[in-house]
Amino acid sequence: DVKVTQSSRYLVKRTGEKVFLECVQDMDHENMFWYRQDPGLGLRLIYFSYDVKMKEKGDIPEGYSVSREKKERFSLILESASTNQTSMYLCASTRGGRPHAGEQFFGPGTRLTVL
Amino acid sequence: LAKTTQPISMDSYEGQEVNITCSHNNIATNDYITWYQQFPSQGPRFIIQGYKTKVTNEVASLFIPADRKSSTLSLPRVSLSDTAVYYCLVGDRGSYIPTFGRGTSLIVHP
Repeated sequence: DVKVTQSSRYLVKRTGEKVFLECVQDMDHENMFWYRQDPGLGLRLIYFSYDVKMKEKGDIPEGYSVSREKKERFSLILESASTNQTSMYLCASTRGGRPHAGEQFFGPGTRLTVL
Repeated sequence: LAKTTQPISMDSYEGQEVNITCSHNNIATNDYITWYQQFPSQGPRFIIQGYKTKVTNEVASLFIPADRKSSTLSLPRVSLSDTAVYYCLVGDRGSYIPTFGRGTSLIVHP
């Protein structure tokens, strides 16, 4: 069974803390994505990666960075968390090719609360 | 960026056919249109994908007109378990960044 896992389902952090969200996929997919989901706004792409050490900005990259040192792992980093980054964060992966074209497999999400 | 527009919410009753339309005015040439379903506390999951005309699988049909500026997801004979949020996804012309719509919340009533 194909699987995308995320390091935490729920996370509570304080303003100014550095936050790491990790995502692992076991499908040998080339493309990996980080989205945030907020009520009424749908899913918005933060960053995606099409290969190890490669990354591209999505619609809302400000305040975030990413790291992809291994093919199966894609990390989202909040260098200094702020309250407006309280959200649901979803990771996804697809096989190689155009990032939007393949079936995206999503993880269960991490609900991050920044106090 | 490719802008996608969907109705915010829809209501239906068990056994009815539901059609959800997504407008995508800047879809990339040769791009696919993909629909996802999301239940509470879960990530979205793939339903159907198409490029033009009509695609059908065991759970849904997808209708795409010739100009490809919109698409319609059709769910035949919905049940209570089809209550979910439905998203369309297209790629942005020029960048191919995946762009989700804001989603349509479908509520199926008994």
